Amino acid sequence: SQQGEEDPQALSIQEGENATMNCSYKTSINNLQWYRQNSGRGLVHLILIRSNEREKHSGRLRVTLDTSKKSSSLLITASRAADTASYFCATDVWGNTGKLIFGQGTTLQVKP
Amino acid sequence: SAVISQKPSRDICQRGTSLTIQCQVDSQVTMMFWYRQQPGQSLTLIATANQGSEATYESGFVIDKFPISRPNLTFSTLTVSNMSPEDSSIYLCSVYGQVRGEQYFGPGTRLTVT
Repeated sequence: SQQGEEDPQALSIQEGENATMNCSYKTSINNLQWYRQNSGRGLVHLILIRSNEREKHSGRLRVTLDTSKKSSSLLITASRAADTASYFCATDVWGNTGKLIFGQGTTLQVKP
Repeated sequence: SAVISQKPSRDICQRGTSLTIQCQVDSQVTMMFWYRQQPGQSLTLIATANQGSEATYESGFVIDKFPISRPNLTFSTLTVSNMSPEDSSIYLCSVYGQVRGEQYFGPGTRLTVT
């Protein structure tokens, strides 16, 4: 079964607002990665956070990781219509070389 | 990040036939991964392909159905054999990037089986 659970499954906001997506997982990890997918196309890598890190920033993206709660969050600030996409978290499970286990994803709609 | 291309980008196939998907990377990589994304679903790893050895398949995926080739360090193919409508999915290959642990994905192949 999939390791990652994401919530909400769908999120609709206005341009300029912030969007927060959450991801939970079940086992120890090497790292957690966030991806964006537009309309069923290829995945765009957004950010990787390692198990010994608690927070990372990249432009308008902020990712947190709480290994004690086995959870992560992705915050997109000042959202734009172009941010409309599906967002997936993926865990690189400790001891498994390279295998990513994906969450079910959050579909974000940003209304202009 | 690695530049990955896939061919074909999409195809519509008849049930019972086979389709071979190609994945080309612009740099030499040891490991390549093949994922499947069924309609409206998340991604699931099919197999890991290392150059010079047999691919390692995940539970629920078998070599007879999804044979994989890895002839060199920049190229791999995945064949979807004896297709049924349930094989309609997006198939994506991925590789590690320069930053340790980061995986990058190709644009995907959208397969529809009728």
